[in-house]
Amino acid sequence: KNEVEQSPQNLTAQEGEFITINCSYSVGISALHWLQQHPGGGIVSLFMLSSGKKKHGRLIATINIQEKHSSLHITASHPRDSAVYICAVGSEKLVFGKGTKLTVNP
Amino acid sequence: DGGITQSPKYLFRKEGQNVTLSCEQNLNHDAMYWYRQDPGQGLRLIYYSQIVNDFQKGDIAEGYSVSREKKESFPLTVTSAQKNPTAFYLCASSTTRATGELFFGEGSRLTVL
Repeated sequence: KNEVEQSPQNLTAQEGEFITINCSYSVGISALHWLQQHPGGGIVSLFMLSSGKKKHGRLIATINIQEKHSSLHITASHPRDSAVYICAVGSEKLVFGKGTKLTVNP
Repeated sequence: DGGITQSPKYLFRKEGQNVTLSCEQNLNHDAMYWYRQDPGQGLRLIYYSQIVNDFQKGDIAEGYSVSREKKESFPLTVTSAQKNPTAFYLCASSTTRATGELFFGEGSRLTVL
């Protein structure tokens, strides 16, 4: 079993829909990262969190330490949100999930 | 603007040749990392450095080498000993290793012909 599991692997949505991407992990962590990888390959950090919830614009990230689970939500999705979303967890060493490919159609 | 610059973006090499990928950051970050990304897999750590003139092997260091002579620079050499070097390589940095937000470069795609 992988140390970091993301679901779903692929997600297609219509513009305006509410999106949820999940991340479950089995390792001990001091922080969890949500990253966004664009089609060209560059990666941008969206959130780093160790408890509770964070919000930035239309993006919301939550983490439940007891259940070892995090979710990334996108409200009012837009085609420009189309990307691969990656969850990474750890302390001194980060373990990366395989990513969730999101496609938002107009 | 502060950020991380990787070069080249695309690189082709023949088998048996060494190649060096450049990574420069002007964020004044202490920690720098090299990751490898293959299709269908998560990022894997090749090497990391937490301070100038010091670096540590990651999970897949065989066939790679690095140096950290300056705080802002962390070049990666893919040697001929790396058996399957065709991949997408990403450089990243953070303020500290354990808790710092990660900043990534745009990546370098290496193809061995």
